[in-house]
Amino acid sequence: NAGVTQTPKFQVLKTGQSMTLQCAQDMNHNSMYWYRQDPGMGLRLIYYSASEGTTDKGEVPNGYNVSRLNKREFSLRLESAAPSQTSVYFCASSEKLDRVNTEAFFGQGTRLTVV
Amino acid sequence: AQSVTQLDSQVPVFEEAPVELRCNYSSSVSVYLFWYVQYPNQGLQLLLKYLSGSTLVKGINGFEAEFNKSQTSFHLRKPSVHISDTAEYFCAVSPSGTYKYIFGTGTRLKVLA
Repeated sequence: NAGVTQTPKFQVLKTGQSMTLQCAQDMNHNSMYWYRQDPGMGLRLIYYSASEGTTDKGEVPNGYNVSRLNKREFSLRLESAAPSQTSVYFCASSEKLDRVNTEAFFGQGTRLTVV
Repeated sequence: AQSVTQLDSQVPVFEEAPVELRCNYSSSVSVYLFWYVQYPNQGLQLLLKYLSGSTLVKGINGFEAEFNKSQTSFHLRKPSVHISDTAEYFCAVSPSGTYKYIFGTGTRLKVLA
């Protein structure tokens, strides 16, 4: 009963390096999300994918790209990491039932430090 | 644009005392409402949700919340807290017709012995 799985759990990058955060869900959900969590700022939406084949910008998309690889997987890429991207990143998934937004399920997070 | 306000960033309370964590939202469309809990170094876990029906909803761990449409609020309550309730609590809204979940800035609940 894995739910939403994120890899890696921890990562340290140097400024300018690139990396991809991976996310997979096994609940057959159509929608997937990437959030970042910073102290005092709650969770802010970076990108989301309402369904396979679509992606949309959220509140803070600059410096990130995403790929909805298939229904299960949604990756987040930092092309040139900056210290301002030091954060905890959460992936989530959800499903509409009869057009009602049910709850989002979250992964355990990736703690990223950019030095 | 929709937004969620959690005015209290920290709430200290003694064990076995009642607690209320406040959440207000703004939206031009109807919303679905959620409370999540986050324990240290973990992901977010759903406490309760309001999708429709009764405005008083009950969740896990003895928590409940009441949806007040006229005051655009969804405050979380527990009649008697335990040390184990120490965590950060997030209120979230999902506007009807969208796929987004918008979060408040969180409230740190610290239960004192």
